[in-house]
Amino acid sequence: KQEVTQIPAALSVPEGENLVLNCSFTDSAIYNLQWFRQDPGKGLTSLLLIQSSQREQTSGRLNASLDKSSGRSTLYIAASQPGDSATYLCAVSSSNYQLIWGAGTKLIIKP
Amino acid sequence: NAGVTQTPKFQVLKTGQSMTLQCAQDMNHEYMSWYRQDPGMGLRLIHYSVGAGITDQGEVPNGYNVSRSTTEDFPLRLLSAAPSQTSVYFCASSPTTGGHQPQHFGDGTRLSIL
Repeated sequence: KQEVTQIPAALSVPEGENLVLNCSFTDSAIYNLQWFRQDPGKGLTSLLLIQSSQREQTSGRLNASLDKSSGRSTLYIAASQPGDSATYLCAVSSSNYQLIWGAGTKLIIKP
Repeated sequence: NAGVTQTPKFQVLKTGQSMTLQCAQDMNHEYMSWYRQDPGMGLRLIHYSVGAGITDQGEVPNGYNVSRSTTEDFPLRLLSAAPSQTSVYFCASSPTTGGHQPQHFGDGTRLSIL
Protein backbone atom coordinates (compact mmCIF):
# COMPACT_ATOMS: atom_id res chain seq x y z
CA LYS A 1 0.00 0.00 0.00
CA GLN A 2 1.36 3.41 -1.01
CA GLU A 3 2.31 5.67 1.89
CA VAL A 4 3.40 9.28 1.60
CA THR A 5 5.43 11.00 4.32
CA GLN A 6 6.38 14.64 4.74
CA ILE A 7 9.09 15.60 7.19
CA PRO A 8 9.28 17.93 9.05
CA ALA A 9 5.69 18.54 10.08
CA ALA A 10 6.53 22.20 10.70
CA LEU A 11 9.32 24.55 9.68
CA SER A 12 10.09 28.17 10.60
CA VAL A 13 12.71 30.19 8.72
CA PRO A 14 13.65 33.88 8.37
CA GLU A 15 12.49 35.80 5.33
CA GLY A 16 14.84 35.65 2.35
CA GLU A 17 16.16 32.15 2.96
CA ASN A 18 16.06 29.41 0.37
CA LEU A 19 14.41 26.27 1.72
CA VAL A 20 13.58 22.70 0.80
CA LEU A 21 10.49 20.70 1.72
CA ASN A 22 10.63 16.92 1.53
CA CYS A 23 8.16 14.27 0.41
CA SER A 24 8.81 10.52 0.35
CA PHE A 25 6.69 7.64 -0.94
CA THR A 26 6.98 3.90 -0.51
CA ASP A 27 5.92 2.59 -3.95
CA SER A 28 7.88 3.92 -6.93
CA ALA A 29 5.15 2.88 -9.41
CA ILE A 30 3.56 6.33 -9.54
CA TYR A 31 1.92 8.14 -12.43
CA ASN A 32 2.74 11.63 -11.19
CA LEU A 33 3.45 13.65 -8.07
CA GLN A 34 1.79 16.92 -7.18
CA TRP A 35 2.56 19.70 -4.72
CA PHE A 36 -0.25 21.78 -3.23
CA ARG A 37 -0.46 24.79 -0.97
CA GLN A 38 -3.14 25.20 1.73
CA ASP A 39 -3.81 28.50 3.47
CA PRO A 40 -5.59 28.51 6.86
CA GLY A 41 -9.33 28.02 6.46
CA LYS A 42 -9.00 27.61 2.74
CA GLY A 43 -8.91 24.85 0.18
CA LEU A 44 -5.85 23.56 -1.61
CA THR A 45 -4.15 25.23 -4.55
CA SER A 46 -2.16 23.16 -7.03
CA LEU A 47 1.45 24.40 -7.35
CA LEU A 48 3.32 21.90 -9.51
CA LEU A 49 2.63 18.54 -11.14
CA ILE A 50 5.54 16.28 -12.15
CA GLN A 51 4.87 13.39 -14.48
CA SER A 52 6.68 10.14 -13.65
CA SER A 53 8.88 10.56 -16.72
CA GLN A 54 10.04 14.02 -15.62
CA ARG A 55 12.79 14.98 -13.18
CA GLU A 56 11.63 18.46 -12.25
CA GLN A 57 9.14 21.25 -12.78
CA THR A 58 9.55 24.97 -12.16
CA SER A 59 7.10 27.78 -11.54
CA GLY A 60 8.50 31.15 -10.54
CA ARG A 61 10.42 30.78 -7.28
CA LEU A 62 9.29 27.16 -6.90
CA ASN A 63 11.14 24.12 -8.19
CA ALA A 64 9.98 20.56 -7.60
CA SER A 65 12.16 17.54 -8.26
CA LEU A 66 11.28 13.88 -8.49
CA ASP A 67 13.48 10.80 -7.95
CA LYS A 68 11.23 7.79 -8.44
CA SER A 69 13.92 5.21 -7.77
CA SER A 70 14.54 6.57 -4.28
CA GLY A 71 10.89 7.45 -3.65
CA ARG A 72 11.57 11.13 -3.00
CA SER A 73 10.49 14.57 -4.12
CA THR A 74 11.62 17.97 -2.95
CA LEU A 75 10.00 21.38 -3.25
CA TYR A 76 12.58 24.16 -3.36
CA ILE A 77 11.43 27.69 -2.52
CA ALA A 78 13.86 30.45 -3.39
CA ALA A 79 14.09 33.77 -1.57
CA SER A 80 11.23 32.98 0.81
CA GLN A 81 8.66 35.68 1.66
CA PRO A 82 6.12 35.99 4.50
CA GLY A 83 3.39 35.35 1.91
CA ASP A 84 4.84 31.87 1.40
CA SER A 85 3.64 30.92 4.89
CA ALA A 86 1.17 28.06 4.44
CA THR A 87 0.92 24.30 4.67
CA TYR A 88 2.47 22.47 1.73
CA LEU A 89 1.15 19.02 0.81
CA CYS A 90 2.38 16.47 -1.68
CA ALA A 91 0.31 13.73 -3.27
CA VAL A 92 1.13 10.84 -5.60
CA SER A 93 -1.08 9.36 -8.26
CA SER A 94 -0.92 5.71 -9.24
CA SER A 95 -2.53 3.88 -12.15
CA ASN A 96 -5.96 3.90 -10.47
CA TYR A 97 -5.98 7.72 -10.80
CA GLN A 98 -6.50 8.30 -7.09
CA LEU A 99 -4.24 10.58 -5.08
CA ILE A 100 -2.45 9.43 -1.92
CA TRP A 101 -1.57 12.37 0.31
CA GLY A 102 1.09 13.30 2.79
CA ALA A 103 0.07 15.06 6.01
CA GLY A 104 1.83 18.27 4.99
CA THR A 105 4.58 20.60 6.20
CA LYS A 106 3.45 23.80 7.92
CA LEU A 107 5.82 26.56 6.81
CA ILE A 108 6.23 29.85 8.67
CA ILE A 109 8.36 32.61 7.15
CA LYS A 110 9.39 35.15 9.79
CA PRO A 111 9.67 38.79 8.62
CA ASN B 1 -15.45 32.13 -12.39
CA ALA B 2 -16.68 30.77 -9.08
CA GLY B 3 -14.68 27.54 -9.46
CA VAL B 4 -15.69 24.95 -6.84
CA THR B 5 -18.30 26.13 -4.33
CA GLN B 6 -19.04 24.25 -1.12
CA THR B 7 -21.91 24.91 1.27
CA PRO B 8 -22.23 25.24 4.17
CA LYS B 9 -18.84 26.44 5.42
CA PHE B 10 -19.54 25.36 9.00
CA GLN B 11 -22.03 22.91 10.50
CA VAL B 12 -22.66 21.38 13.90
CA LEU B 13 -24.75 18.22 14.10
CA LYS B 14 -25.93 15.90 16.81
CA THR B 15 -25.12 12.20 16.67
CA GLY B 16 -27.64 10.40 14.49
CA GLN B 17 -28.68 13.41 12.42
CA SER B 18 -28.36 13.37 8.66
CA MET B 19 -27.30 16.14 6.34
CA THR B 20 -26.07 16.90 2.84
CA LEU B 21 -22.89 18.79 2.01
CA GLN B 22 -23.26 20.60 -1.27
CA CYS B 23 -20.59 20.94 -3.97
CA ALA B 24 -20.95 22.69 -7.31
CA GLN B 25 -18.44 23.54 -10.02
CA ASP B 26 -18.87 25.78 -13.05
CA MET B 27 -15.86 24.61 -15.09
CA ASN B 28 -17.59 21.70 -16.87
CA HIS B 29 -15.18 19.26 -15.20
CA GLU B 30 -15.91 15.57 -15.59
CA TYR B 31 -14.10 14.38 -12.45
CA MET B 32 -15.30 15.31 -8.97
CA SER B 33 -14.34 13.96 -5.60
CA TRP B 34 -14.86 14.31 -1.86
CA TYR B 35 -12.05 14.18 0.70
CA ARG B 36 -11.90 14.47 4.44
CA GLN B 37 -8.96 16.06 6.22
CA ASP B 38 -8.19 15.17 9.82
CA PRO B 39 -5.43 16.67 12.01
CA GLY B 40 -2.02 15.13 11.41
CA MET B 41 -3.23 13.07 8.47
CA GLY B 42 -3.28 13.47 4.73
CA LEU B 43 -6.49 13.92 2.81
CA ARG B 44 -8.47 10.72 2.41
CA LEU B 45 -10.75 10.05 -0.55
CA ILE B 46 -14.38 9.31 0.37
CA HIS B 47 -16.15 9.03 -2.99
CA TYR B 48 -15.47 10.15 -6.51
CA SER B 49 -17.21 10.48 -9.88
CA VAL B 50 -15.78 10.35 -13.39
CA GLY B 51 -18.92 11.82 -14.96
CA ALA B 52 -22.65 12.35 -14.57
CA GLY B 53 -24.38 9.17 -13.45
CA ILE B 54 -21.13 7.45 -12.39
CA THR B 55 -19.85 7.26 -8.82
CA ASP B 56 -17.40 5.02 -6.99
CA GLN B 57 -15.99 4.50 -3.53
CA GLY B 58 -12.70 5.81 -2.32
CA GLU B 59 -10.62 4.87 0.71
CA VAL B 60 -13.14 5.74 3.46
CA PRO B 61 -16.71 5.50 2.05
CA ASN B 62 -18.57 4.05 5.05
CA GLY B 63 -21.30 6.32 6.41
CA TYR B 64 -21.43 8.49 3.29
CA ASN B 65 -23.48 8.45 0.09
CA VAL B 66 -23.07 10.43 -3.11
CA SER B 67 -24.90 10.96 -6.38
CA ARG B 68 -24.01 12.74 -9.62
CA SER B 69 -27.16 13.62 -11.55
CA THR B 70 -25.52 16.58 -13.34
CA THR B 71 -21.98 17.47 -14.36
CA GLU B 72 -22.05 20.52 -12.06
CA ASP B 73 -23.21 19.06 -8.73
CA PHE B 74 -21.81 16.35 -6.47
CA PRO B 75 -23.52 16.31 -3.04
CA LEU B 76 -22.21 14.24 -0.13
CA ARG B 77 -24.77 12.79 2.29
CA LEU B 78 -24.09 11.76 5.85
CA LEU B 79 -26.67 9.12 6.63
CA SER B 80 -26.46 9.04 10.46
CA ALA B 81 -23.77 11.34 11.79
CA ALA B 82 -21.20 9.94 14.22
CA PRO B 83 -18.52 11.80 16.23
CA SER B 84 -15.86 10.03 14.12
CA GLN B 85 -17.12 12.01 11.14
CA THR B 86 -16.03 15.29 12.71
CA SER B 87 -13.63 16.62 10.09
CA VAL B 88 -13.03 19.16 7.37
CA TYR B 89 -14.55 18.05 4.07
CA PHE B 90 -13.20 19.17 0.72
CA CYS B 91 -14.74 18.83 -2.70
CA ALA B 92 -12.45 18.87 -5.74
CA SER B 93 -12.84 18.73 -9.50
CA SER B 94 -10.61 18.32 -12.54
CA PRO B 95 -11.21 18.21 -16.30
CA THR B 96 -10.63 14.45 -16.50
CA THR B 97 -9.55 11.65 -14.21
CA GLY B 98 -8.49 13.11 -10.90
CA GLY B 99 -4.93 11.96 -10.42
CA HIS B 100 -3.71 12.94 -13.85
CA GLN B 101 -4.48 16.63 -13.80
CA PRO B 102 -4.32 19.33 -11.13
CA GLN B 103 -7.47 19.38 -9.07
CA HIS B 104 -9.43 22.50 -8.12
CA PHE B 105 -10.59 22.58 -4.50
CA GLY B 106 -13.43 24.28 -2.69
CA ASP B 107 -12.81 26.11 0.58
CA GLY B 108 -14.11 23.23 2.67
CA THR B 109 -16.92 22.47 5.10
CA ARG B 110 -15.97 22.26 8.76
CA LEU B 111 -18.26 19.70 10.37
CA SER B 112 -18.57 18.94 14.08
CA ILE B 113 -20.63 16.03 15.38
CA LEU B 114 -21.60 16.23 19.03
